[in-house]
Amino acid sequence: ETGVTQSPTHLIKTRGQQVTLRCSSQSGHNTVSWYQQALGQGPQFIFQYYREEENGRGNFPPRFSGLQFPNYSSELNVNALELDDSALYLCASSLARAGEKLFFGSGTQLSVL
Amino acid sequence: QKEVEQNSGPLSVPEGAIASLNCTYSDRGSQSFFWYRQYSGKSPELIMSIYSNGDKEDGRFTAQLNKASQYVSLLIRDSQPSDSATYLCAVTGRRSGGYNKLIFGAGTRLAVHP
Repeated sequence: ETGVTQSPTHLIKTRGQQVTLRCSSQSGHNTVSWYQQALGQGPQFIFQYYREEENGRGNFPPRFSGLQFPNYSSELNVNALELDDSALYLCASSLARAGEKLFFGSGTQLSVL
Repeated sequence: QKEVEQNSGPLSVPEGAIASLNCTYSDRGSQSFFWYRQYSGKSPELIMSIYSNGDKEDGRFTAQLNKASQYVSLLIRDSQPSDSATYLCAVTGRRSGGYNKLIFGAGTRLAVHP
């Protein structure tokens, strides 16, 4: 167990809807990163938050947005869902802004119909 | 060219054998290298990290890094059926803007048969 918890575990949405995924970091970790893993692929970096600010972003459109709260928990929001957004969404926490060892939560499996 | 490349497999080895998993990466500025294990339907679990050229051993696992060849490998000795999983190679990109991200390969599926 990594101490990183994500909710919900599974979610089904329809195209065009909005979704919010949640993550609680491991105790003491002040950095959270979000990754998207499509079936048969490796995780792809979405963005990273450090002390409540986004400080790095991958090649994802603006309809992917996030928040980090003072207790270091985090949310990933996706607007205008598309079928290709169906994936496993992984949250990972780490000790520092440039911390490299990532500890992943169990993920949220999102299906967009 | 993909940033991190792995053979998708499946790599099939008999129980007790050595499994050898390979990974190449394109960015010569990469500084840190990781192996994650992912069971079907589960999230990735960090099993090895390596930062300098050479070998690093941890139990039945050995990670090998050759920065000149841009190559990193994972050896699993005395393979067990419980080692059957997808192994993801991950590399940090160049540090910029005060953060780094992990770049993952697509993974190699390992099947250990009794």
